[in-house]
Amino acid sequence: DADVTQTPRNRITKTGKRIMLECSQTKGHDRMYWYRQDPGLGLRLIYYSFDVKDINKGEISDGYSVSRQAQAKFSLSLESAIPNQTALYFCATSKRSQETQYFGPGTRLLVL
Amino acid sequence: DQQVKQNSPSLSVQEGRISILNCDYTNSMFDYFLWYKKYPAEGPTFLISISSIKDKNEDGRFTVFLNKSAKHLSLHIVPSQPGDSAVYFCAAIKNSNYQLIWGAGTKLIIKP
Repeated sequence: DADVTQTPRNRITKTGKRIMLECSQTKGHDRMYWYRQDPGLGLRLIYYSFDVKDINKGEISDGYSVSRQAQAKFSLSLESAIPNQTALYFCATSKRSQETQYFGPGTRLLVL
Repeated sequence: DQQVKQNSPSLSVQEGRISILNCDYTNSMFDYFLWYKKYPAEGPTFLISISSIKDKNEDGRFTVFLNKSAKHLSLHIVPSQPGDSAVYFCAAIKNSNYQLIWGAGTKLIIKP
């Protein structure tokens, strides 16, 4: 079984719709992250959480919100989706004080 | 401003030969550098890392070299195998904030 899972794996939505991407982990890690990847670019950090009560904005948080429902769950919401949010979204986890992050399989989002 | 750069979008290498992937950075405050490998439809997978206080780290067929004066690191894969065909990302992190900064990736193709 995968340690970091993401649902859905693919999603098509329309401009203005609210959508939620979910991430769950069984690694027991405290820290969780949301990234997006666009063609020809590296991953960019949207939000990160060091524990359930600690949520931080990343490089590109505008238009996104997150919720850390439990240590194992971290969801990303697009309140009103727009076409330039079409991208590949990755969730990741890490142990406290360790630099290595472990990634889920990604969610491919298309906003029409 | 890109703090981590991978200037080669793709690289083609004969099976059995050495693959050398390069990465440049601009921020001298980075504490760790990591290489990730990514197959299509999967999330990035951690490959190898190096602390900024070292100049070499080796793990089996993979070796990472760090040249701090040149702000340059490289990943050597010897010998290259068909399963090494993937996109390789270089990433850097400052311990103060544990945020990974990513390069755009290099697509490695191993020719039989």
